[in-house]
Amino acid sequence: SQQGEEDPQALSIQEGENATMNCSYKTSINNLQWYRQNSGRGLVHLILIRSNEREKHSGRLRVTLDTSKKSSSLLITASRAADTASYFCATDKGVDMRFGAGTRLTVKP
Amino acid sequence: EAQVTQNPRYLITVTGKKLTVTCSQNMNHEYMSWYRQDPGLGLRQIYYSMNVEVTDKGDVPEGYKVSRKEKRNFPLILESPSPNQTSLYFCASSPGQVRETQYFGPGTRLLVL
Repeated sequence: SQQGEEDPQALSIQEGENATMNCSYKTSINNLQWYRQNSGRGLVHLILIRSNEREKHSGRLRVTLDTSKKSSSLLITASRAADTASYFCATDKGVDMRFGAGTRLTVKP
Repeated sequence: EAQVTQNPRYLITVTGKKLTVTCSQNMNHEYMSWYRQDPGLGLRQIYYSMNVEVTDKGDVPEGYKVSRKEKRNFPLILESPSPNQTSLYFCASSPGQVRETQYFGPGTRLLVL
């Protein structure tokens, strides 16, 4: 069964704007990760945040985690056309990993 | 180059004809996993393996088999494919026992007629 659910399902913005995607999950977790997928290709790991962390940065990416609300957000600042992709959150509680259905981000030049 | 490879990349087959999708990683990772991706459903885990000779079911194991005889290889076997197994399949690996960063293969697009 799906654990994470991303919101919105699709997001369209202009280049230079910020993009925020949200992920909600149902059960307690060890880690939450965000992945990116260009159309039909393999997923690429972006960032991992542990359950005892609240915020993490990597370049133009900022991830927050609120375990009390069972939710996470991914912020991409100063977006570029090359950021156009699908973004997935994935949660794990030990050995198996659960992915959400993803947010499709389109950045218009 | 560190990578996960899958073969074939594209496959069209008929119902009931056994097939194997190979997965190989050259990073000496202990953990390997298979996922299928369907529109609107995201990725769902089929099977995973913590190490050689250790495999376990994921969320959607029905109709699939796996084996892990060597650390680098984790083939996915469809003994009798059916049209509902038409999907995009990804193999992934990660180091250690904890589900840290997963490295994904390029995907295998399977069509079962």
